[in-house]
Amino acid sequence: GNSVTQMEGPVTLSEEAFLTINCTYTATGYPSLFWYVQYPGEGLQLLLKATKADDKGSNKGFEATYRKETTSFHLEKGSVQVSDSAVYFCALINYGQNFVFGPGTRLSVLP
Amino acid sequence: SQTIHQWPATLVQPVGSPLSLECTVEGTSNPNLYWYRQAAGRGLQLLFYSVGIGQISSEVPQNLSASRPQDRQFILSSKKLLLSDSGFYLCAWSVQGSFTDTQYFGPGTRLTVL
Repeated sequence: GNSVTQMEGPVTLSEEAFLTINCTYTATGYPSLFWYVQYPGEGLQLLLKATKADDKGSNKGFEATYRKETTSFHLEKGSVQVSDSAVYFCALINYGQNFVFGPGTRLSVLP
Repeated sequence: SQTIHQWPATLVQPVGSPLSLECTVEGTSNPNLYWYRQAAGRGLQLLFYSVGIGQISSEVPQNLSASRPQDRQFILSSKKLLLSDSGFYLCAWSVQGSFTDTQYFGPGTRLTVL
């Protein structure tokens, strides 16, 4: 079946540091890949997505590239801010199936 | 634009009491609708999804049930709550017929069962 694996958190960084959150997936065919962000006490918000191999999703300074050869969709940001502190979920969806979410990675950015 | 509402925002209930959580979507027709639960410090668990009025699919057998009485209304219920039902309940929608598209989430309901 389909699955998503994310790096274990929590991740603690200083403001302006470089961020990478690893995400790898297992799926048949060509799933669409997503990153969602959840701020404390809120629902999930779509951060970015990519629907085919080599696509790069980007939003608010975050980027992730769909790498089919390594089945990965790592999230990166060049300079994090305190306001980026949240839980980040990697997810995939395959045609005719339901979303599969990773366990989430908690990011804390210190001033 | 589309918006999704959930209420109540927070709820504290005793064990054995009934439950009703409501989700409504505005600005779209015939959406796919979903209920997820997020236990403390854990990921999302899909509970139910619906592709139309009266059509409910259950992903995990449990103490909960769902109903869709109207096109854009999705209700999560229980006759008798358990301690293990505590968690953060999220409703989501996606475009009908688009099985690889984005899911959009509501603000969530935090349920504490004492």
